[in-house]
Amino acid sequence: DAMVIQNPRYQVTQFGKPVTLSCSQTLNHNVMYWYQQKSSQAPKLLFHYYDKDFNNEADTPDNFQSRRPNTSFCFLDIRSPGLGDAAMYLCATSTRESMSTDTQYFGPGTRLTVL
Amino acid sequence: AQSVAQPEDQVNVAEGNPLTVKCTYSVSGNPYLFWYVQYPNRGLQFLLKYITGDNLVKGSYGFEAEFNKSQTSFHLKKPSALVSDSALYFCARGIKAAGNKLTFGGGTRVLVKP
Repeated sequence: DAMVIQNPRYQVTQFGKPVTLSCSQTLNHNVMYWYQQKSSQAPKLLFHYYDKDFNNEADTPDNFQSRRPNTSFCFLDIRSPGLGDAAMYLCATSTRESMSTDTQYFGPGTRLTVL
Repeated sequence: AQSVAQPEDQVNVAEGNPLTVKCTYSVSGNPYLFWYVQYPNRGLQFLLKYITGDNLVKGSYGFEAEFNKSQTSFHLKKPSALVSDSALYFCARGIKAAGNKLTFGGGTRVLVKP
């Protein structure tokens, strides 16, 4: 089945130690998104890619970076994780055939713990 | 003003009873509305969406939602709730901006008791 895959499902890192989360998709969608979700709150969009075009949200800290080497893969890099970065990180994809109306398909998420 | 709002933090319902999860939206702009469900330690799953056309939208797992323009609402409903419907439900609105951003409501936790 076509899907959005996130690895690992659980990640533990140390304060200040760089960490990379990965997302892959078999849906061949143009757009890939990264969200941060804390404590059952609403997901907060960090950034997204439309093909290779990167779009950063204005309030996303510089500590968060992203890479998309090809259509299928997208990575979230946290350069120096702080305790406040502990959260669930969700990857999502969409086709962007029509702005605002496309369904986003989410991966299962990676829960990040910062010690 | 918040683009989409979920007025209830939690909804409790007995198994077999009707389930309603409320969502209201602000009037400005096009009301492209979505419902997603999130089970514990999982990502969001798409349930249904309203873009245009019939006000009653049917979705996955027996859920439906009715777009009500006069009340600016898009409540999610299920005629007979199951214990397995216990989850976190998010209403969301699509925004006409680069990247098809979604604005999420605060979420409503549904607890279905046997």
